[in-house]
Amino acid sequence: GAVVSQHPSWVICKSGTSVKIECRSLDFQATTMFWYRQFPKQSLMLMATSNEGSKATYEQGVEKDKFLINHASLTLSTLTVTSAHPEDSSFYICSVFTRTGKNQPQHFGDGTRLSIL
Amino acid sequence: KNQVEQSPQSLIILEGKNCTLQCNYTVSPFSNLRWYKQDTGRGPVSLTIMTFSENTKSNGRYTATLDADTKQSSLHITASQLSDSASYICVVSRGGGSQGNLIFGKGTKLSVKP
Repeated sequence: GAVVSQHPSWVICKSGTSVKIECRSLDFQATTMFWYRQFPKQSLMLMATSNEGSKATYEQGVEKDKFLINHASLTLSTLTVTSAHPEDSSFYICSVFTRTGKNQPQHFGDGTRLSIL
Repeated sequence: KNQVEQSPQSLIILEGKNCTLQCNYTVSPFSNLRWYKQDTGRGPVSLTIMTFSENTKSNGRYTATLDADTKQSSLHITASQLSDSASYICVVSRGGGSQGNLIFGKGTKLSVKP
């Protein structure tokens, strides 16, 4: 069954709107969640690592004030795209590892397709 | 530069046929190599994970190979089905970093036609 639930699956909104995306781990506690972005015909790019109870770690080039991450509980991380613009239109995916250590499978949510008009 | 290159970019095959997808990488240090299947509009689903010492690993009709010396991997799909139509992504995990320290290829888009 599904390990990660992501909501919403599709968002269309006007430029300047802030959009919140939720990522929930199902049936287990995730101290760490990962947020990726995927543009058409491009590979997934890690945006940030969400850490429960502490600040997220952002990858180089990702604006932390633009992409707000909150990981307030062991089962929920949220990504808020603030004042979204058309260039923020993309496919956003979260993922978790259910076990620590190398060589563990990574479980992805079904993604959120964000379209900014 | 850490990169994962996949070929072909896209592929069309007839149902029942076999196919092989290629992955070359320059990621260092190497920890493991993963193949994922991503259906359109969905998140990737893990097919195989191979470490440095593993040459081949199977998951049903999917068989992945790894040559760590030449830094090449392949994914062979046997007796293709319509449901195999998807993007197949090769991912290399870097050693020494966090679990999220993964380098993703752009994927090969496979279309299986009846």
